[in-house]
Amino acid sequence: KAGVTQTPRYLIKTRGQQVTLSCSPISGHRSVSWYQQTPGQGLQFLFEYFSETQRNKGNFPGRFSGRQFSNSRSEMNVSTLELGDSALYLCASESGTWSTGELFFGEGSRLTVL
Amino acid sequence: AQSVTQLGSHVSVSEGALVLLRCNYSSSVPPYLFWYVQYPNQGLQLLLKYTTGATLVKGINGFEAEFKKSETSFHLTKPSAHMSDAAEYFCAVSATSYDKVIFGPGTSLSVIP
Repeated sequence: KAGVTQTPRYLIKTRGQQVTLSCSPISGHRSVSWYQQTPGQGLQFLFEYFSETQRNKGNFPGRFSGRQFSNSRSEMNVSTLELGDSALYLCASESGTWSTGELFFGEGSRLTVL
Repeated sequence: AQSVTQLGSHVSVSEGALVLLRCNYSSSVPPYLFWYVQYPNQGLQLLLKYTTGATLVKGINGFEAEFKKSETSFHLTKPSAHMSDAAEYFCAVSATSYDKVIFGPGTSLSVIP
């Protein structure tokens, strides 16, 4: 069974640009969550999608957005990039209808903003 | 709101020694509790979880954790450290089955040969 796949793995952008990250969950998993990981802030919850609907949202500005498609694949977008957006963005999928906390993580997309 | 604290951002142990990683949580309702491990350049992997029932939870790779409601703690232990245990460990909490999972700041474990 294939794991959670995130693309791209590494990317470099400049301030003011936008970026789109993609996440393909484990087959059959319907929930996808996104986290931002930085050395200073640790793992910060961005949002969670289930059946194409945002079910939970963290405390990030509106520049951070996401969506989920009918095949459960998810994308997150960050507009007007700032230096502080440099981070490892992790996607996690979960199997059930209700969140159990048993998240399966991808290897992440490492974003560097110059 | 839920929160997690982990005492000690970095812990060093000798190979073969006891591993103890501390986690305290704050939750307004009986929580779901988890420990995740992250190896370098990888995503996180679930070690173990507590939802209901037995308070001593056994996980993978010889790790276990005990839920102590009176102390709001969920410390992770392993009797004998192995070099391959060197990694970042995250404690996490979720209030309900609807809720997001909140992670602690993490503890980096080093194992000294």
